[in-house]
Amino acid sequence: GAGVSQSPSNKVTEKGKDVELRCDPISGHTALYWYRQSLGQGLEFLIYFQGNSAPDKSGLPSDRFSAERTGGSVSTLTIQRTQQEDSAVYLCASSLAPAGGLEETQYFGPGTRLLVL
Amino acid sequence: AQKVTQAQTEISVVEKEDVTLDCVYETRDTTYYLFWYKQPPSGELVFLIRRNSFDEQNEISGRYSWNFQKSTSSFNFTITASQVVDSAVYFCALRNTGFQKLVFGTGTRLLVSP
Repeated sequence: GAGVSQSPSNKVTEKGKDVELRCDPISGHTALYWYRQSLGQGLEFLIYFQGNSAPDKSGLPSDRFSAERTGGSVSTLTIQRTQQEDSAVYLCASSLAPAGGLEETQYFGPGTRLLVL
Repeated sequence: AQKVTQAQTEISVVEKEDVTLDCVYETRDTTYYLFWYKQPPSGELVFLIRRNSFDEQNEISGRYSWNFQKSTSSFNFTITASQVVDSAVYFCALRNTGFQKLVFGTGTRLLVSP
């Protein structure tokens, strides 16, 4: 079946502009995660969605970052007033269930490479 | 606190050599989960294995094998008879019970030359 898809695959923007990154999870997966991969910080957790529960936003680095998940499926990560330090690869993952058993394994998309000039 | 350490930044081997990637973790939980992911040049993280803390049985899958030792907090990954297609960055990750996020190590870049 189809895996996690992300768009755009690459995004170049100017400092101060807002950007939106999109994630389509694997069909039927109830849990969705955003991570960021940068040279200086490695792979970092950003935010987690599970069903209709309140998201775990504990990894968001600042209030310029926000995310939504509509209808329990597609998610959008928004970065407002982008800064050069926001340049990174943003990875989305989904899992069939939040915890327990093999269903909790997180499957990752190809990522969006963001470059802020 | 949770932490994963992959001390090997980069390893270079010649095809058909065996290679072991080290992973050491820190956690206060008694129940936790360990993972290995592969990131080829295309960039997508590919799931390789998941291991529960209460299952220390080692696992073999084809040329891949994993050695989990709670006594040394290690979860090492061995590739037997490496191939050029094994060239990638390999990440070890930890998830504690009650938390959904994965905590990743810094990765080990494996270069397999013909």
